[in-house]
Amino acid sequence: SQELEQSPQSLIVQEGKNLTINCTSSKTLYGLYWYKQKYGEGLIFLMMLQKGGEEKSHEKITAKLDEKKQQSSLHITASQPSHAGIYLCGADRGNQFYFGTGTSLTVIP
Amino acid sequence: DAGVIQSPRHEVTEMGQEVTLRCKPISGHNSLFWYRQTMMRGLELLIYFNNNVPIDDSGMPEDRFSAKMPNASFSTLKIQPSEPRDSAVYFCASSLALLAGGLNEQFFGPGTRLTVL
Repeated sequence: SQELEQSPQSLIVQEGKNLTINCTSSKTLYGLYWYKQKYGEGLIFLMMLQKGGEEKSHEKITAKLDEKKQQSSLHITASQPSHAGIYLCGADRGNQFYFGTGTSLTVIP
Repeated sequence: DAGVIQSPRHEVTEMGQEVTLRCKPISGHNSLFWYRQTMMRGLELLIYFNNNVPIDDSGMPEDRFSAKMPNASFSTLKIQPSEPRDSAVYFCASSLALLAGGLNEQFFGPGTRLTVL
């Protein structure tokens, strides 16, 4: 969707390295979701951010939403092969739901 | 909870045939979403229901696509007649929609991989 721009489109990192994925909207969002999708499978919910400046962490994954609620980042610390997959950001603007085009992450052991 | 259940998981059909995809949302959830995912267009929202009522179907490609939700535990997405360009993975998701302005995460089913020859 052009409503949400994700970068980079793909990422290859060595195991143990940190990485960041970005998601940008041209409009203010009610909230933003992060999902992970393993190849050929459904989406798994990671985190939801609703307030400007909000930051949430789960295990080694941290997501932030900027104050203007137009940009979010997903940061993985000390990446592991289990982190590999496609990461998608999704946005809620009232009754409209959008997803970014995804970031494909490969973690090399 | 079994999660969102979709059937069939794979469907191969010939152009012109009718295709029906099925979804059982998580019990207690009051919102249901149908998405289509392709390499070219990514994940697109087709339609979503709240309390069994279609709220936004602006993502439905054309009249060949129709969706119903006769009760809180079942929904169908029908394509009639199907075309090769309909080939994609179709996901169903459900959530517990909060009051206006509230958010809640969507839980996705495993998807139905549709191939139209």
